[in-house]
Amino acid sequence: SYVLTQPPSVPVAPGKTATITCGGDNIGGKGVHWYQQKPGQAPVLVISHDSDRPSGIPERFSGSNSGNTATLTISTVEAGDEADYYCQVWNSGTDHYVFGPGTKVTVL
Amino acid sequence: QVQLVQSGAEVKKPGASMKVSCKASGYTFTTSGISWVRQAPGQGLEWMGWISTYTGNTNYAQKFQGRVTLTTDTSTTTAYMELNTLRPDDTAVYFCSRGELPDPFDFWGQGTMVTVSS
Repeated sequence: SYVLTQPPSVPVAPGKTATITCGGDNIGGKGVHWYQQKPGQAPVLVISHDSDRPSGIPERFSGSNSGNTATLTISTVEAGDEADYYCQVWNSGTDHYVFGPGTKVTVL
Repeated sequence: QVQLVQSGAEVKKPGASMKVSCKASGYTFTTSGISWVRQAPGQGLEWMGWISTYTGNTNYAQKFQGRVTLTTDTSTTTAYMELNTLRPDDTAVYFCSRGELPDPFDFWGQGTMVTVSS
């Protein structure tokens, strides 16, 4: 089965940039989606298809994907960005969705 | 506005079955499939399966094959997830979400907490 890896935690100071990675075998050949989940809430889609930002998502959120690593970048981090972030792909080999284990972004 | 509203929390005994509903509104129900995702306490997201609201076709994660059944009722724009032979490690929040394969999930229900305990 296809496995995604993410760092468990990413600490970041307010106003700085948070970089969250999602690793997978040739993930650059797949479309990667990113979700933000705050405690007690449902996930929210923040980046789709590697780098598309859904309506209502701030421009501070951006994504890229190449080789074996996809990246979610949050610029000028705010306290409200503190949350868990999950990457997701569609594995065409099994016709199943796969989620990464999640990364907790802590705003210092 | 698009809304997915799920049924309330449940407590079940091991070996029992559960059925969670997801009422959709604000869009044409049959234009987008429904996936179910669960999250055990303190853990990550786990995709369980998907159903086409147009054809009724299903796609189940291998882990849940044979134990989960996804259905829809287009007359009430409601999707259902039934999980059988419950175990304590099925204790989780269960989410429904909207999206066609292989697209991302653009709207989510609020989640339904299911506790399996003797």
